[in-house]
Amino acid sequence: EDQVTQSPEALRLQEGESSSLNCSYTVSGLRGLFWYRQDPGKGPEFLFTLYSAGEEKEKERLKATLTKKESFLHITAPKPEDSATYLCAVLIKAAGNKLTFGGGTRVLVKP
Amino acid sequence: NAGVTQTPKFRILKIGQSMTLQCTQDMNHNYMYWYRQDPGMGLKLIYYSVGAGITDKGEVPNGYNVSRSTTEDFPLRLELAAPSQTSVYFCASSSPGQGPSSYNSPLHFGNGTRLTVT
Repeated sequence: EDQVTQSPEALRLQEGESSSLNCSYTVSGLRGLFWYRQDPGKGPEFLFTLYSAGEEKEKERLKATLTKKESFLHITAPKPEDSATYLCAVLIKAAGNKLTFGGGTRVLVKP
Repeated sequence: NAGVTQTPKFRILKIGQSMTLQCTQDMNHNYMYWYRQDPGMGLKLIYYSVGAGITDKGEVPNGYNVSRSTTEDFPLRLELAAPSQTSVYFCASSSPGQGPSSYNSPLHFGNGTRLTVT
């Protein structure tokens, strides 16, 4: 069965304290892995798509990487405005255009 | 630039009542989706549509119905509300990508409808 697992469930950081979020997956035929950011009371907002192992993408203080079994979202020197829930999702060949989401990691950055 | 608009934002239903969650998008996207989000459980796909007149079931379709008469609108119907349907519902849309990544266009989400069934 295809599974996507995110860890940790919650992360409390001090401003400037870098950390990494993990998204591990066991799927057959990965077509792409997506990262989304979700603020309270809002819908998820697209951050990155990664297609193949070894690929990296960056946006401001965020950097996403991909291996054959997992993806990491690195947050470098976070600021309070980086507080959000971060969701990863996978697109597999057998599922057409339907994403399978992980449970998310809630990040709180304290000033 | 409206994007994906969902109404209502909040709703409380009694067990057995019915309602329709509205979703409209102004990006001319072919694909539209309905997800539900429960705490710590991620997003689960209820129904999706690849174009007007075409709909299909996702992971958790029981208790829901959809229709897609236009490209813009994709309403979700709850016929007999049950407490298990208490959740936050998100509508999303996307367009087919180009070339080798033709399935990989990102989803655009609305801001959700928070539904409580008591």
